[in-house]
This record gives sequence, structure tokens and C-alpha cells, in this order.
Amino acid sequence: GQSLEQPSEVTAVEGAIVQINCTYQTSGFYGLSWYQQHDGGAPTFLSYNGLDGLEETGRFSSFLSRSDSYGYLLLQELQMKDSASYFCAVRDQGYSTLTFGKGTMLLVSP
Amino acid sequence: SQTIHQWPATLVQPVGSPLSLECTVEGTSNPNLYWYRQAAGRGLQLLFYSVGIGQISSEVPQNLSASRPQDRQFILSSKKLLLSDSGFYLCAWSAGTRFYEQYFGPGTRLTVT
Repeated sequence: GQSLEQPSEVTAVEGAIVQINCTYQTSGFYGLSWYQQHDGGAPTFLSYNGLDGLEETGRFSSFLSRSDSYGYLLLQELQMKDSASYFCAVRDQGYSTLTFGKGTMLLVSP
Repeated sequence: SQTIHQWPATLVQPVGSPLSLECTVEGTSNPNLYWYRQAAGRGLQLLFYSVGIGQISSEVPQNLSASRPQDRQFILSSKKLLLSDSGFYLCAWSAGTRFYEQYFGPGTRLTVT
């Protein structure tokens, strides 16, 4: 089976940088995805790391270290609209599904 | 471009009543389809997934079932709802082998009373 750990809540101020960590345990790791979900809305895909290293998409970056079973989502120049829940999700080799973490609620204050 | 539709947006049903939630995808062929449930303030629990017509895999034993009568249509059903079936039901799709990149519908908020 798979298990993922991420902090339940993170707070930050506008303009700051915040990092949301995710550690995982799987039997056959294939890749790590990140999703954003605003309150009452549906999750939206942010990024995917299939290889070690940093992937950058605008203000958001995602990092993966397979040897440490660890990844993070980095949000820069925080804006109020970034207040949302962020989920990491793993895909195991041979599976066509994702297992999601419990999510990290990010609260951005003025 | 691709679009995913879900309906209804909200639903209040009594215990023991049947359920049918529908999801359709436009603008793509042979999508992988998923049903998730999310309890308030919790993560996403995968209920069913399908990689093709008539191919349904169940992740969690429960009183729910799923069907895929057409390539881009995915239906979640129950014969008799339980209180524990309340939650936010989300349909999602992905293309080909890009299982890691899923696109979600707007969801159905179900309250069983």
C-alpha cells in the first residue's frame, strides 16, 4: 500500500515564499503530483515530478528526491488567492490511479 | 478543448433511497475515468476507476457501484444510501498513460438525511 504525510496547515503572508512538504511510502514509486483545491471547489492539477529535481511553472515549483522519498511544492510571491488546500499524490508502477495525501491547508494573510 | 460535466451540483437524499450521479467528458476519446469521494476537510478517496468501456475497478468495498455505458460517460449508483455516503463526489479524467494528470469535474455535494 501507499502512505503520504504532509502538514495539515501552513500559514504565510502575502509576498512570502512557502514550502509544503510531502513524504511518501510506496511499494513501487512512479511519480509525485500536486493539486490545488479552493474551498468548495474541485482539485486542479499543478505539477508532476517523474524524475528527481525541480520543475518550475510560474510562481510554483515542485521538487522530488526519490532517494529520500520526499517532495515539496514551493509557492513564491504568495497572493491571497493562493489560500487553498494542496494535495500531493503518488502513482505506483503498474497502477493507473493516484493515492492522495490528506492535504495541507495554506492560509495567506495580508 | 476538453470539458468534464457532473450533475447534479447538490443533492439531499433520505437514507435508503437510490442514487445516480452522472459524469460526461467532452473533447477527448477513451479517457481514463475516476470517481472520488471527499469527506469534509479530508483527502480524496478513490472509489472506482475505468480505463475503457465496461472496465470498472473498485477500490473500496461499499454499497456503491459504477458503470461506463459509453466511452465518455461514467455513472455512480447506489440502490440504498447510507448516512455514511454523505460527502463531496468528484469525477475526474486523464488521458492515455498520463494517470498523474487528472482533471476534475465540479463535483456533487451529497447529503444523506
